[in-house]
Amino acid sequence: GAVVSQHPSWVICKSGTSVKIECRSLDFQATTMFWYRQFPKQSLMLMATSNEGSKATYEQGVEKDKFLINHASLTLSTLTVTSAHPEDSSFYICSAIRLVNEQFFGPGTRLTVL
Amino acid sequence: QQQVKQSPQSLIVQKGGISIINCAYENTAFDYFPWYQQFPGKGPALLIAIRPDVSEKKEGRFTISFNKSAKQFSLHIMDSQPGDSATYFCAASNSRRTDSWGKLQFGAGTQVVVTP
Repeated sequence: GAVVSQHPSWVICKSGTSVKIECRSLDFQATTMFWYRQFPKQSLMLMATSNEGSKATYEQGVEKDKFLINHASLTLSTLTVTSAHPEDSSFYICSAIRLVNEQFFGPGTRLTVL
Repeated sequence: QQQVKQSPQSLIVQKGGISIINCAYENTAFDYFPWYQQFPGKGPALLIAIRPDVSEKKEGRFTISFNKSAKQFSLHIMDSQPGDSATYFCAASNSRRTDSWGKLQFGAGTQVVVTP
């Protein structure tokens, strides 16, 4: 299967700071990547669609100024959580599309905001 | 409103038994139905997927059954093993709609526990 990596795998930060999470497709090019967040024992919640070379499309209710997404190349998308607060603590997961509908997920990033 | 409804919420099965998870959808435009397996603290992994022109797909111990008229699909895990203990998510997407291309609608998930 296709490989998608995320970095870091976990991060702890102080309230008010910004955190950047990287998502890379290692063995294929992905024009489209997605960012999800997942709370304990819940399903994945789509936050935004990241398209290479264009602005991200955010789902309803997701603050685009708080969750900055940049899709700089066909293998890299980044999510920056700006001015993080404890309520932003969650498990953030990215995914990348290899072929039509084939979506592969990264291992996730656990964010804890103190 | 959840577009894909998944049941049961949790499932306990003995080693060697069959685990069955069901999903139902309303949107007839969905044309791709994957199942994902997720272990604690990890990202979901694609397990198996089916398109509506096929009624069944089997890969090893995992089988998807698809009923287009009933708008339902299910995952069967044969000869369940303790290593299969995980959370399973069904999903659906519409590959023809350009403004939602690739977007997956997830079910709520089923936590499967396989006892030794």
